[in-house]
Amino acid sequence: GNSVTQMEGPVTLSEEAFLTINCTYTATGYPSLFWYVQYPGEGLQLLLKATKADDKGSNKGFEATYRKETTSFHLEKGSVQVSDSAVYFCALSTSGGGADGLTFGKGTHLIIQP
Amino acid sequence: DAGITQSPRHKVTETGTPVTLRCHQTENHRYMYWYRQDPGHGLRLIHYSYGVKDTDKGEVSDGYSVSRSKTEDFLLTLESATSSQTSVYFCAISESTAGGRSTDTQYFGPGTRLTVL
Repeated sequence: GNSVTQMEGPVTLSEEAFLTINCTYTATGYPSLFWYVQYPGEGLQLLLKATKADDKGSNKGFEATYRKETTSFHLEKGSVQVSDSAVYFCALSTSGGGADGLTFGKGTHLIIQP
Repeated sequence: DAGITQSPRHKVTETGTPVTLRCHQTENHRYMYWYRQDPGHGLRLIHYSYGVKDTDKGEVSDGYSVSRSKTEDFLLTLESATSSQTSVYFCAISESTAGGRSTDTQYFGPGTRLTVL
């Protein structure tokens, strides 16, 4: 079956530090990969996505590259801000378009200190 | 933001009582989903719908039922709530391609926090 593995944290960084959150996956076929972000008390928001190998998704200074050879989709940001404090979820979709739902990692709690 | 609302946003109930959560969308999307979020588990799919009256089970469907009588509404029912169903419940929607298949990207509602005492 499909699975997603990511560090759970909490990950604590100082403002302007470099961020990496690792995500690796196991899937049948060729999945699409996603990062979602959840701010306190809110639902999940799509942060970025990539649908095929070597694609790079980017949004709001965050980037992730679909690496088929290492089955990874690590999230990076060059300089984090306090407002980036949230829980980040890596997810994948297979079976022809997500009709049977996304498979999520357990989430990484990120804390940015001023 | 996708037009998705969930009601109620918070609910406290007692073991053994029935509970219905509602998801309402204004996007006219064909596909709708119910997930639960629990610490240490991320989000897990409960049920999903691929059209009016068309539903199927997800990973953690035991103890839950769903109904979809209109495109815009997807109801999740706990027939007899148990403490293990204390969780945060999220609804999601996804668009259809021209051929009627689901696109990959899902958009989430604000969630319902359910506590079963």
